Amino acid sequence: DTGVSQDPRHKITKRGQNVTFRCDPISEHNRLYWYRQTLGQGPEFLTYFQNEAQLEKSRLLSDRFSAERPKGSFSTLEIQRTEQGDSAMYLCASSLWSGTYEQYFGPGTRLTVT
Amino acid sequence: DQQVKQNSPSLSVQEGRISILNCDYTNSMFDYFLWYKKYPAEGPTFLISISSIKDKNEDGRFTVFLNKSAKHLSLHIVPSQPGDSAVYFCAASEPYNNNDMRFGAGTRLTVKP
Repeated sequence: DTGVSQDPRHKITKRGQNVTFRCDPISEHNRLYWYRQTLGQGPEFLTYFQNEAQLEKSRLLSDRFSAERPKGSFSTLEIQRTEQGDSAMYLCASSLWSGTYEQYFGPGTRLTVT
Repeated sequence: DQQVKQNSPSLSVQEGRISILNCDYTNSMFDYFLWYKKYPAEGPTFLISISSIKDKNEDGRFTVFLNKSAKHLSLHIVPSQPGDSAVYFCAASEPYNNNDMRFGAGTRLTVKP
């Protein structure tokens, strides 16, 4: 296993379109996280899954955002009716819940909304 | 609300010297702190962590110091190498809520040969 992967790496879309990103975590990891990072800022937590259950959502995650993790493996993050303010790097991370806090990040998907 | 702050956006040091990156936090409930390193076009990579029950953790050239009373932690890299040039993020989490890690804005370290 080479780590967390994300697809696509870059996405350019027009305002109002829907976009979907995919994250494949490290295979034995049971927790999966989504973050958003804007220029000059650190990653901001959006939501996380333990196996297939979405256990927590940030107030940053508006109704236009939805995330799924069917079967507790890969995850998708969909943004509906994109806005220019959605332009950011979307990072996925995974961890093995064993009492430690380290999360392992993917390379991110850079979204540009024009 | 910026609960984790890295007040220096950039730092430049000479190869072989010590790099000191600083981080301050405001939430006294934070009990676990991590440093991540990020190269361009890659996601953040876990570097080193420290629990609030300790005041120092060392891993090779990297040492993290925690001053709970001052709500301050620092990452020391010695000796610094050009390959250490990256953006360093400080992160913190509360007990039983480690899913919601709070990150600082990052410090860009440049190590000059």
